[in-house]
Amino acid sequence: QSALTQPASVSGSPGQSITISCTGTSSDVGGYNYVSWYQQHPGKAPKLMIYEVSNRPSGVSNRFSGSKSGNTASLTISGLQAEDEADYYCSSYTSSSTQVFGGGTKLTVL
Amino acid sequence: QLQLQESGPGLVKPSETLSLTCTVSGGSISSSSYYWGWIRQPPGKGLEWIGSIYYSGSTYYNPSLKSRVTISVDTSKNQFSLKLSSVTAADTAVYYCARLGYIVATIRNAFDIWGQGTMVTVSS
Repeated sequence: QSALTQPASVSGSPGQSITISCTGTSSDVGGYNYVSWYQQHPGKAPKLMIYEVSNRPSGVSNRFSGSKSGNTASLTISGLQAEDEADYYCSSYTSSSTQVFGGGTKLTVL
Repeated sequence: QLQLQESGPGLVKPSETLSLTCTVSGGSISSSSYYWGWIRQPPGKGLEWIGSIYYSGSTYYNPSLKSRVTISVDTSKNQFSLKLSSVTAADTAVYYCARLGYIVATIRNAFDIWGQGTMVTVSS
């Protein structure tokens, strides 16, 4: 299975909105509503931010939102804050009943 | 509150077998709502799913690692384990265990609880 495709880096200024894309195939992202997003700060374990494309776990800020169109999922962070600077990973369930991650995107808050 | 903790050797010699255990506390590994997974992250690189196991022993593995990976579960100890054989320097990584929601869970097919991770270095 091939890793999902994410941009290597994105950046934005405080208060702005940014969007991170995650492109797969009809066998993963496009075929199921099981896309999740994780935030990882340096030296820390990943933290679930979005599950099932657009749902937020309890305790996650509503500044984080997710969507999907065809084989591409997106994570949008609005009202960017310094604490949002981190690496972000998407993941999807696949037609082989496996899980696949994206390559990761480094978010820089300018 | 459910917690996961990885344990095992931090240094493994090339060609040997890497063995790690994840201990689940604050909840039962035998819940019908969850799979339990291993994920790794080489230094400076991204996350890679290794495989997942259900309390019944049903497993799914990453095709690229399948020939070298075995994941097992011990419900009496509330633990699940990873064995990766014939390791090379490319297997050097932080290894995480995590809970994966099954179709009957509230959070499905996402890793909602993670261990802190354990660094494993492959070197002679």
